[in-house]
Amino acid sequence: DIVMTQTPLSLSVTPGQPASISCKSSQSLLHSDGKTYLYWYLQKPGQSPQLLIYEVSSRFSGVPDRFSGSGSGTDFTLKISRVEAEDVGVYYCMQGIHLPPTFGQGTKVEIK
Amino acid sequence: QVQLVQSGAEVKKPGSSVKVSCKASGGTFSSYAISWVRQAPGQGLEWMGRIIPILGIANYAQKFQGRVTITADKSTSTAYMELSSLRSEDTAVYYCAREPVGAVAVWFDPWGQGTLVTVSS
Repeated sequence: DIVMTQTPLSLSVTPGQPASISCKSSQSLLHSDGKTYLYWYLQKPGQSPQLLIYEVSSRFSGVPDRFSGSGSGTDFTLKISRVEAEDVGVYYCMQGIHLPPTFGQGTKVEIK
Repeated sequence: QVQLVQSGAEVKKPGSSVKVSCKASGGTFSSYAISWVRQAPGQGLEWMGRIIPILGIANYAQKFQGRVTITADKSTSTAYMELSSLRSEDTAVYYCAREPVGAVAVWFDPWGQGTLVTVSS
């Protein structure tokens, strides 16, 4: 199975400040079709996970543009340009190129 | 817009089985797959397996092979996940989630609201 490793595991951010989460995979997520199948989810407190970013850098429907994803191969980053109170929760990266799909351990983001 | 509604919380004895349902509304049930992902208390997300209703094919994570059975009833647009030989470590919230069929990759949206299964003697 592909191992997904996130850092840091927790983050305390002042509202309006940026935040960044790293995700590394044990194998390349680049497919022969040229796309890279790395996803980011946010699980807000008491809620189910929700899709934020697909294929490394594409924002899902309704996701604010303060969220951005980047990276290639095995190294990826999720950035929040200006953290808002509603962004608190646990962020997970996930690889979808190989079965079983696997998730990072999660990064808990809280507001200072 | 697809919505997934799961059955309610369950309390089970060790060694027993649990069956959780996931009813889809909106969209065409046969045009997507349903995966099951679990989350133990305070832990991360773990994929268990999926069903492709239009094909009637299920795939399972190796960890759960032989203990999990995922099925679907196209007539009611409902998917089921049955986990047997329950132990305390199976205490978790179980989520169903839609994934596209025929896509190169696996990804999930939307997710059901989750079903808490507690295994306790």
